[in-house]
Amino acid sequence: NAGVTQTPKFQVLKTGQSMTLQCAQDMNHNSMYWYRQDPGMGLRLIYYSASEGTTDKGEVPNGYNVSRLNKREFSLRLESAAPSQTSVYFCASSVQGHSGNTIYFGEGSWLTVV
Amino acid sequence: EDKVVQSPLSLVVHEGDTVTLNCSYEVTNFRSLLWYKQEKKAPTFLFMLTSSGIEKKSGRLSSILDKKELFSILNITATQTGDSAVYLCAVSSGGSNYKLTFGKGTLLTVNP
Repeated sequence: NAGVTQTPKFQVLKTGQSMTLQCAQDMNHNSMYWYRQDPGMGLRLIYYSASEGTTDKGEVPNGYNVSRLNKREFSLRLESAAPSQTSVYFCASSVQGHSGNTIYFGEGSWLTVV
Repeated sequence: EDKVVQSPLSLVVHEGDTVTLNCSYEVTNFRSLLWYKQEKKAPTFLFMLTSSGIEKKSGRLSSILDKKELFSILNITATQTGDSAVYLCAVSSGGSNYKLTFGKGTLLTVNP
């Protein structure tokens, strides 16, 4: 049972380049998320998808786009990478529940923009 | 704006010590509070708390929620070096059921 799988694990980009982070979950979860984690800032939500076919902005969406390709897959795209987007990116998924979510995270993608 | 504050930000203890990590929150329409442990990679789920006064336990870890005073604590007894990690607190709140607000975490270092 792989859980949440994201690729690539490490990437170095030049300023202005584009790239897509891929994420897939095999837990049949409805909701998926992209977070970034920076030192001293905690986890901040970039975009989320409550269910297949819907996406919404989170706390820090600027410079990113997402696609919920199907129930399993949720990708994050950087159209023109900037050094400020150097971060660790986590994809996550959850089962929707009345009392709140239990979110399961992927292993993370370390992105450096030079 | 929803806010989750963890304290202390970092803590160094010796093996065998007991530690208490704190999480306070100010949110609209509280739903649940979650604790995660993060070592070098992804956060892993520890507890979800929804009701005041009911302690959740898992081995040497336990947690309790106070919805009146708006805080939670995470206790770790007889700490081991393997407990060294960042502990994250998150709160699910508001009309949406789909996102959490995270605190900045407490970095726990357990020395032998």
